[in-house]
Amino acid sequence: DSGVTQTPKHLITATGQRVTLRCSPRSGDLSVYWYQQSLDQGLQFLIQYYNGEERAKGNILERFSAQQFPDLHSELNLSSLELGDSALYFCASSAGLAGPETQYFGPGTRLLVL
Amino acid sequence: AQTVTQSQPEMSVQEAETVTLSCTYDTSENNYYLFWYKQPPSRQMILVIRQEAYKQQNATENRFSVNFQKAAKSFSLKISDSQLGDTAMYFCAFMKRRGRDDKIIFGKGTRLHILP
Repeated sequence: DSGVTQTPKHLITATGQRVTLRCSPRSGDLSVYWYQQSLDQGLQFLIQYYNGEERAKGNILERFSAQQFPDLHSELNLSSLELGDSALYFCASSAGLAGPETQYFGPGTRLLVL
Repeated sequence: AQTVTQSQPEMSVQEAETVTLSCTYDTSENNYYLFWYKQPPSRQMILVIRQEAYKQQNATENRFSVNFQKAAKSFSLKISDSQLGDTAMYFCAFMKRRGRDDKIIFGKGTRLHILP
């Protein structure tokens, strides 16, 4: 158990819908990262937050957005869903700027868009 | 931009044998980390081993060790006395050290089968 929690574990929805994925980082970690694992694109970085602020962005679609709240949990919002958004979405956390830099991954949320 | 290449899409070895997974990377950075992550059928991403680029000594974690060749930009993983539970997808990964952009860049993975 990495200490990173993600909910829900599975999500099945229809095209055009909007979903929210939730992540709670390890206790004390300030940085949260979101990654997408799909069959054709592999594991790709989406976005990072540090202590509530966006810190880095990857190839995140405009239909996707995220935020980190004062209690440090993070949410990834996916809207106008398409079939190609079906993937495993991981959240990872690390201590942040001053601490150990290893990222620990949550169990992932498996999204299926029908 | 950094890239990570794993040239072996799939491998199979007998239980108790030693297996080496290959990884090469490309970067102009001098300070970085390299990782091997394991993804078993449960799909959980598990950190296997970490290497800091400024350290010359190869990292080891029990049956897992790496051969880090900085000049050649090579980072292979050796699994000794392989066990059935080692069956998984293994990802080689790169991360800049203490940079604003500290995302992890993953290779495509090597699917490892340990045969009984």
